[in-house]
Amino acid sequence: ILNVEQSPQSLHVQEGDSTNFTCSFPSSNFYALHWYRWETAKSPEALFVMTLNGDEKKKGRISATLNTKEGYSYLYIKGSQPEDSATYLCAFTGGGADGLTFGKGTHLIIQP
Amino acid sequence: DSGVTQTPKHLITATGQRVTLRCSPRSGDLSVYWYQQSLDQGLQFLIHYYNGEERAKGNILERFSAQQFPDLHSELNLSSLELGDSALYFCASGADSIPDTQYFGPGTRLTVL
Repeated sequence: ILNVEQSPQSLHVQEGDSTNFTCSFPSSNFYALHWYRWETAKSPEALFVMTLNGDEKKKGRISATLNTKEGYSYLYIKGSQPEDSATYLCAFTGGGADGLTFGKGTHLIIQP
Repeated sequence: DSGVTQTPKHLITATGQRVTLRCSPRSGDLSVYWYQQSLDQGLQFLIHYYNGEERAKGNILERFSAQQFPDLHSELNLSSLELGDSALYFCASGADSIPDTQYFGPGTRLTVL
């Protein structure tokens, strides 16, 4: 059974502060690590797909890093804004036809 | 808007009944994945279809089945429903048979009373 863990479960951050959270995943049989953003009453929206050890991806104020040897990825948000409030999901795939294995997410609340 | 459509948005039914959830993937995508989000659970992969063929099964109960039609839309059939089947059901589409970026539909909220 694949285990994808995310921490912390929830996070309250002041507007303007930067923050980061963690996803850990199996380091064997790795194909890709996905990050999704899930706002309340909407559907998960893809942020990044990372495949190579040492990969860094950036989208505006959000960036992510990947360490496949030790099985973790960090998501960073710089200068948090209220619209960043959402649940951030990471998902692992070993490259077969199986779907993604998701973590339970980090619920981020930005306080004005 | 991801381009993936799901109907219905909400479904309320009774235990023992059978329902069908429908999903249309993004134009050009051949893969459809079904996921279940229950209370306190992460998104759980149920089943994957690629170009009309079943490619992989996840934590799908025997009471559940799915298919993908020639026009690439997919249906998830849930039968002999139990209270514990109440959940949010998402489909996601992707271009390839290996999971690259997946685009999620708006979901169907199923309530079993």
